Amino acid sequence: QLLLQESGPGLVKPSETLSLTCAVSGDSISTNTYYWGWIRQPPGKGLEWIASIHYIGSTFYNPSLETRVTISVDTSKNQFSLKLSSVTAADTAVYYCARQRLSITGAIDWFDPWGQGTLVTVSS
Amino acid sequence: DIQMTQSPSSLSASVGDRVTITCRASETISSYLNWYQQKPGKAPKLLISAASSLQSGVPSRFSGSGSGTDFTLTISSLQPEDLATYYCQQSYTGLTFGGGTKVEIK
Repeated sequence: QLLLQESGPGLVKPSETLSLTCAVSGDSISTNTYYWGWIRQPPGKGLEWIASIHYIGSTFYNPSLETRVTISVDTSKNQFSLKLSSVTAADTAVYYCARQRLSITGAIDWFDPWGQGTLVTVSS
Repeated sequence: DIQMTQSPSSLSASVGDRVTITCRASETISSYLNWYQQKPGKAPKLLISAASSLQSGVPSRFSGSGSGTDFTLTISSLQPEDLATYYCQQSYTGLTFGGGTKVEIK
């Protein structure tokens, strides 16, 4: 059974960099047919895709966040990571990681499964 | 960016009712439309991919239809465990989610 587990600080100060890691267990992250993505959900609000990465390093970013986001993968540890710089209170959210299917057209598609999520609060 | 608009934003229905949720894209997305269920305090779960393909293990009372710009998620007979917020997501260009539809049980 594939499991994903997010980890990282639950509190980040404004203007600093948010760093999260997603540990993947139950299967290798080095599979051609999947990407690995990050999604966030502010308290009481909807879902927002952040970024996705393939194990070979190919990436997709949400244009609205691209200038502040870095996604990376560590195949030796079977995990991938997210960095979001210059955070503000608007970045307070539950951050989810998820496996993401690569469609036959080469586009990234649905998310399944998801990690349980981790709440990150931006506050001084 | 492709915008996804769900309606209604919330609904209340009785056990056994047929429930329909609509998702409209701001431009055509073919069938690149997925549906998720998010129960309170939990991560979202993929229900339907490619507009109408039911995921393994998902009850058959859930179904999806549509193509182009207009899509629907139908629950044929609402059950108490269907209390959740439902999201659509397009993957035609970039990735965007609808605003969600909260389903409550009367």
